[in-house]
Amino acid sequence: GQQVQQSPASLVLQEGENAELQCNFSTSLNSMQWFYQRPEGSLVSLFYNPSGTKQSGRLTSTTVIKERRSSLHISSSQITDSGTYLCAMEYGGSGNKLIFGTGTLLSVKP
Amino acid sequence: AQTIHQWPVAEIKAVGSPLSLGCTIKGKSSPNLYWYWQATGGTLQQLFYSITVGQVESVVQLNLSASRPKDDQFILSTEKLLLSHSGFYLCAWSLGVQDTQYFGPGTRLLVL
Repeated sequence: GQQVQQSPASLVLQEGENAELQCNFSTSLNSMQWFYQRPEGSLVSLFYNPSGTKQSGRLTSTTVIKERRSSLHISSSQITDSGTYLCAMEYGGSGNKLIFGTGTLLSVKP
Repeated sequence: AQTIHQWPVAEIKAVGSPLSLGCTIKGKSSPNLYWYWQATGGTLQQLFYSITVGQVESVVQLNLSASRPKDDQFILSTEKLLLSHSGFYLCAWSLGVQDTQYFGPGTRLLVL
């Protein structure tokens, strides 16, 4: 079946360092979404990115459909960036189905 | 502005008892609606989606059912809970297909 592999599983940074999170998927997809999961569990949508590069502040998402991968770049990390980052692959003809990756747990230290 | 509300916030239930979780969207007409489940420490899984009232598609069964009785309401239920139903349940909405999904605050369920 369809699979989404996320790496790294965890990452520790010093404040100010950059981070690169990766997502690889096993089959063709309609789009990729990136989310931030708060400690209490709720999700914040970061990017909806079917292809190409999108930027929002210090965050940049790049999806390359042909290579079946998407990345999330966090520049100049801050302590408040700590948490879990999830990617999700949207697939299927109806475009309503999402498969999530296992997440990257990011810890930014002062 | 659109708001998404889930109830209850948390629940502790006995194995074999019934369950009903609710989700309401305000400020958006005819949204696509979704149910997700995440076991503790596990991966988020999509359970159901609905693009219109009365119509629900199952993605992963898990011995649960979903219904959409109103345009702005999505219900997740089962008549008999299993231990494996414990976890975190999230409701989400989107404007249409192939669109950003926005998530509710979630319901934490513990089955004993």
